Amino acid sequence: GAGVSQSPSNKVTEKGKDVELRCDPISGHTALYWYRQSLGQGLEFLIYFQGNSAPDKSGLPSDRFSAERTGGSVSTLTIQRTQQEDSAVYLCASSLDTRTVYGYTFGSGTRLTVV
Amino acid sequence: AQSVTQLDSQVPVFEEAPVELRCNYSSSVSVYLFWYVQYPNQGLQLLLKYLSGSTLVKGINGFEAEFNKSQTSFHLRKPSVHISDTAEYFCAVSEGGSYIPTFGRGTSLIVHP
Repeated sequence: GAGVSQSPSNKVTEKGKDVELRCDPISGHTALYWYRQSLGQGLEFLIYFQGNSAPDKSGLPSDRFSAERTGGSVSTLTIQRTQQEDSAVYLCASSLDTRTVYGYTFGSGTRLTVV
Repeated sequence: AQSVTQLDSQVPVFEEAPVELRCNYSSSVSVYLFWYVQYPNQGLQLLLKYLSGSTLVKGINGFEAEFNKSQTSFHLRKPSVHISDTAEYFCAVSEGGSYIPTFGRGTSLIVHP
């Protein structure tokens, strides 16, 4: 597609429920990133995929968070047993490759509210 | 390890006035530097980037930034702002060879008529 597409744009869930957030990167972009943006905070790196290599999960805040990327394209971020502190905007970005010289193209994000 | 400090969380300014958004970074190696803009309810959009060469970088929408290695700074400037420039601005740094840039906390630019 023309840009990075994220769905849903908004998600309200009850504490303890699982949620899945989807990211559809730009066609041909091999690198895909997930970030979390909390109110008043910068962007917190969560996880990074590059092609078929093992993902860099160093930013995931707990084992309740996981992500996968199928076929080197679409990615799903899953949060299990959601907590109120998980409320944030989850941003996905993609890039041509691992070299950050290109900069990233970001999606519009998914605003997650845990009540 | 790389880190980024955006010194101002909020910068109010009147329309047509000049503005500077400050960014300082910490790194012991060569870096790539970026400024992104986030309009309300949208994702981040790349404004400009410094990779190498000329320290003065020009970006979209009339913005420019200057890389100052001795000051470890990469301040963003615009000589005359518009109402439409009201947005959140993020500075990011990536150490050479690092795949994962570090973002600052953002500066909210508020342009008043």
